[in-house]
Amino acid sequence: GAGVSQSPSNKVTEKGKDVELRCDPISGHTALYWYRQSLGQGLEFLIYFQGNSAPDKSGLPSDRFSAERTGGSVSTLTIQRTQQEDSAVYLCASSHWQVYNEQFFGPGTRLTVL
Amino acid sequence: AQSVTQLDSHVSVSEGTPVLLRCNYSSSYSPSLFWYVQHPNKGLQLLLKYTSAATLVKGINGFEAEFKKSETSFHLTKPSAHMSDAAEYFCVVSYNAGNMLTFGGGTRLMVKP
Repeated sequence: GAGVSQSPSNKVTEKGKDVELRCDPISGHTALYWYRQSLGQGLEFLIYFQGNSAPDKSGLPSDRFSAERTGGSVSTLTIQRTQQEDSAVYLCASSHWQVYNEQFFGPGTRLTVL
Repeated sequence: AQSVTQLDSHVSVSEGTPVLLRCNYSSSYSPSLFWYVQHPNKGLQLLLKYTSAATLVKGINGFEAEFKKSETSFHLTKPSAHMSDAAEYFCVVSYNAGNMLTFGGGTRLMVKP
């Protein structure tokens, strides 16, 4: 596609439910990143994929958070047993293997946990 | 650990006057530095990047930034603000050994008519 796409754009869920957030990177981009943007914490790195593997999971805030990527393309971020502090905008970015740190961002998924 | 500090959380200017958004980064031998802009309810857009070539970097929409190693700064400037420049701006650092971006706290730019 022309840019990074994310779905859903908005998600409202009840505390304790599981949610899945999807990211579709720019075609041909081998690297994919998840970030979280919240009022209290600003923009923080969550996890990074190179192809289908995740060499850096250091930013995942707890074991309720997991992510996978299949076919070197679409990625899913899963949050289990959501808590109110998980409310944030979840941003996905992708980059080309030749210019890893030039990342292109999607519009984000706004997650609200009631 | 890498870090970046944006010195002003809010900046207000009048349309047609210069813009200065300040950024300092933690010292490293080879940082890559970026400025991103985020308009309300929109995604992050790359304005410009520095990757050890020219120290004065020109970006989109008339913005530019100067890398000053001695001051560990990467301030963003624009000669004349436009109403459409009102947005949040993020200074970002990345080091060669890593792929993740580290964001500053953001500066909200307001442009008065």
